[in-house]
Amino acid sequence: NAGVTQTPKFQVLKTGQSMTLQCAQDMNHEYMSWYRQDPGMGLRLIHYSVGAGITDQGEVPNGYNVSRSTTEDFPLRLLSAAPSQTSVYFCASSYGGLATDTQYFGPGTRLTVL
Amino acid sequence: GENVEQHPSTLSVQEGDSAVIKCTYSDSASNYFPWYKQELGKRPQLIIDIRSNVGEKKDQRIAVTLNKTAKHFSLHITETQPEDSAVYFCAASTLEYGNKLVFGAGTILRVKS
Repeated sequence: NAGVTQTPKFQVLKTGQSMTLQCAQDMNHEYMSWYRQDPGMGLRLIHYSVGAGITDQGEVPNGYNVSRSTTEDFPLRLLSAAPSQTSVYFCASSYGGLATDTQYFGPGTRLTVL
Repeated sequence: GENVEQHPSTLSVQEGDSAVIKCTYSDSASNYFPWYKQELGKRPQLIIDIRSNVGEKKDQRIAVTLNKTAKHFSLHITETQPEDSAVYFCAASTLEYGNKLVFGAGTILRVKS
C-alpha cells in the first residue's frame, strides 16, 4: 500500500495563478481532508469529505475548492493564489470520522506564492 | 468555537530525562484527544490517543492523561532518546464544522545527548 500520496512536493506560484494539489489514497477510506500548516498555528482544516460526492467546509475554506468524484482522490484547487496561501498543505484520510479515528497524512506540498 | 492551547512551545531535555507537554481545551463536549508526532520535513503521525471515558493510557515510554473536569490533557515521554526529537501536536474533537479535530500550535521537543 502506498497510503496517502500527494503531488507536487513543492510549488511556486505567482499571485493570481491557479493550481490543483493532488491527493490520493489506496486504503479505501471514506473520510478525506485537507489541512494547512503554518508556523505557530498547528494544522487547520480547509475542506473535508465523508465520501464520494460529499464535501464540506472546514475552519479556513476561503480561496479553496474541492471535489470528490471517487473514493481514492481528493484534489484541492486554489482559484487565484494569494501570498497568504503560502503554507505546507497536508491531505489526510481515515477509516472512521475525522474526530474519532486515526488520521493518515500524506507527505505534504510546500507552496510558495510570490 | 473550540480552542486548544499547547504548552510549552519549545522544550529541551537531556537524554534519559522525562518530557511533559500539556494541552487545554474549551469545548466540554470534546471526547477524543490524539497526539501526533512530526519529525523534521515529514508528515504528522499518530503516536497515542485517549477517549473521554478513560483517564490514562500508556504505550511503552509514552503516556497520556486526561482531566475532563479541568479540561486538560498531557503527553508524558519517559527515558527520552534523540529520536524523540520532533514537533508534537495535541488535538481535541469538536462538533464545530461537523465532528472534527482542532489542533494545538505544537511543541518542539529537543533531546540533547
